[in-house]
Amino acid sequence: DQQVKQNSPSLSVQEGRISILNCDYTNSMFDYFLWYKKYPAEGPTFLISISSIKDKNEDGRFTVFLNKSAKHLSLHIVPSQPGDSAVYFCAASGSSGTYKYIFGTGTRLKVLA
Amino acid sequence: DTGVSQNPRHKITKRGQNVTFRCDPISEHNRLYWYRQTLGQGPEFLTYFQNEAQLEKSRLLSDRFSAERPKGSFSTLEIQRTEQGDSAMYLCASSLTSRPLYNEQFFGPGTRLTVL
Repeated sequence: DQQVKQNSPSLSVQEGRISILNCDYTNSMFDYFLWYKKYPAEGPTFLISISSIKDKNEDGRFTVFLNKSAKHLSLHIVPSQPGDSAVYFCAASGSSGTYKYIFGTGTRLKVLA
Repeated sequence: DTGVSQNPRHKITKRGQNVTFRCDPISEHNRLYWYRQTLGQGPEFLTYFQNEAQLEKSRLLSDRFSAERPKGSFSTLEIQRTEQGDSAMYLCASSLTSRPLYNEQFFGPGTRLTVL
């Protein structure tokens, strides 16, 4: 049972354009969501997060949008840069217990110069 | 470097052998997690420690797996009688509980296990 889904395994975007990565979740108990970026041979690196009391969080070129009614979140990268090329994982957590993360399967972003 | 470190980075072993991995979290972090990542998948939760107490284990963690965190500092993950299906990247992450509810987990570089 995949509680967090990233339905696009890959995405290619031209440098300077917007990258939009999507994530859907099924468990309504999730109330904290994160995006991690992963380069080959490295561990995931935290990018940006959002709690369920918000619908948008922005950090520089990165913005995460949360639509609770649709159980959907998205990551926008503007403008995209070649260094953004990596695998992006969406993760979700509940606000009790261990705060373990449930990850999606990832989207490989390629930014073309 | 004050990040999460993991050793070894790579381990190749023969089926049936035992292996042990080590994770050193960020020094003040009291929460420590182990995840496993296989090809084409996201990291999957294995187990969680708060200080030295192991508070949750995933059903993925069969009885061949054991994890410890003596003294609430570094942690070890041991796999006994390895099987080819154990081949994966084993990731360790740590976080701090000082902020209420929400705290990002910081991941180490992982240990890639190959079972021949």
